[in-house]
Amino acid sequence: DGGITQSPKYLFRKEGQNVTLSCEQNLNHDAMYWYRQDPGQGLRLIYYSQIVNDFQKGDIAEGYSVSREKKESFPLTVTSAQKNPTAFYLCASSIWGGGKGEAFFGQGTRLTVV
Amino acid sequence: AQSVTQLGSHVSVSEGALVLLRCNYSSSVPPYLFWYVQYPNQGLQLLLKYTSAATLVKGINGFEAEFKKSETSFHLTKPSAHMSDAAEYFCAVSPKANSGGGADGLTFGKGTHLIIQP
Repeated sequence: DGGITQSPKYLFRKEGQNVTLSCEQNLNHDAMYWYRQDPGQGLRLIYYSQIVNDFQKGDIAEGYSVSREKKESFPLTVTSAQKNPTAFYLCASSIWGGGKGEAFFGQGTRLTVV
Repeated sequence: AQSVTQLGSHVSVSEGALVLLRCNYSSSVPPYLFWYVQYPNQGLQLLLKYTSAATLVKGINGFEAEFKKSETSFHLTKPSAHMSDAAEYFCAVSPKANSGGGADGLTFGKGTHLIIQP
């Protein structure tokens, strides 16, 4: 079955540590996205990528980094520069162009700072 | 610029009653509109979408929404609530003219938590 797989489902980070969240899709979508979700704030865009080896900052990119070396994969690194990383992180993918293509979401990764 | 306003962060209805979740948008160009549902600790699932065909859109699980251009609204309804409908619902807008398409042009509302009373 086609879909988006995020791993791990739960992740714990110590202060000052970098962690990487995995996102893989087999939908053959060109575009991939990372969102952060906090209670009562909806979804906020961190980074997005339209094509391999290219990505753009979203609304809250500070303290995060991404790479897009393969069409299927779009990992997100939460760096030590992100001062409040505890949140639910969602990866999504879609076709690119025209705005008609809805986003397909993974099951999310809940990151907690300990 | 575009934005989405969902009226009511929490909506409570009795089982079997009408569900109405409100969504108003602003967009400088005619939009595409979407409703997503999120169950606890899960990703978002598409309920329905409006892409300029019929203004009344039917989705999964008995939900439907009507696009009203004059009111800039896209309210979500279901005639009879079921306990399994308890979840977070997000309205989203994407401008048709956005050459980027997909989620970079997709703006989400802050969500409405639907509570079903037995």
